[in-house]
Amino acid sequence: GIQVEQSPPDLILQEGANSTLRCNFSDSVNNLQWFHQNPWGQLINLFYIPSGTKQNGRLSATTVATERYSLLYISSSQTTDSGVYFCAVAYSGNTPLVFGKGTRLSVIA
Amino acid sequence: DGGITQSPKYLFRKEGQNVTLSCEQNLNHDAMYWYRQDPGQGLRLIYYSQIVNDFQKGDIAEGYSVSREKKESFPLTVTSAQKNPTAFYLCASTPRGAPQHFGDGTRLSIL
Repeated sequence: GIQVEQSPPDLILQEGANSTLRCNFSDSVNNLQWFHQNPWGQLINLFYIPSGTKQNGRLSATTVATERYSLLYISSSQTTDSGVYFCAVAYSGNTPLVFGKGTRLSVIA
Repeated sequence: DGGITQSPKYLFRKEGQNVTLSCEQNLNHDAMYWYRQDPGQGLRLIYYSQIVNDFQKGDIAEGYSVSREKKESFPLTVTSAQKNPTAFYLCASTPRGAPQHFGDGTRLSIL
């Protein structure tokens, strides 16, 4: 099956700093999603990005499908950005997602 | 309001007891999924269903059962055969070719 690796596993930032989270995957996929899990456990959809680049406010993501990796950029980080960021991939849009182990981000004021 | 509703938010199970977690969606999505999350880990697939009256096992199906009698509903039963059921359970759904959306989860603990 597909393997998903995320790095770094943990990240501590000062408020206002920028960061880049990486997701490597082992096979060609047609679905890639980034999620933010908040302290209450809710999984929030950030991006659906099987290829290309998207931006949403201070967050942006790029997936290079031919090289099997995706990057999530967080700019001007805020304490509310804290939590765990997951990358998940699937062979197609309605097949199950395979999750990485996540990057735990702590933003300090 | 459209969305995915999981209930209850917290559930306690006694030894030897079966418990059922509810997942309902009013988004008219075809596919539904159950995942399990252990502390500090990613999500792992338990079962999924792409159409009514059909479902497939995921990576960790042992000790769990599901049904899909209605498009809107995909309940998960944690049986007494599941020896380590304490975890956070998340339900998701998706229409064809679109991203998955998740409910708010159920935390299951052993008494």
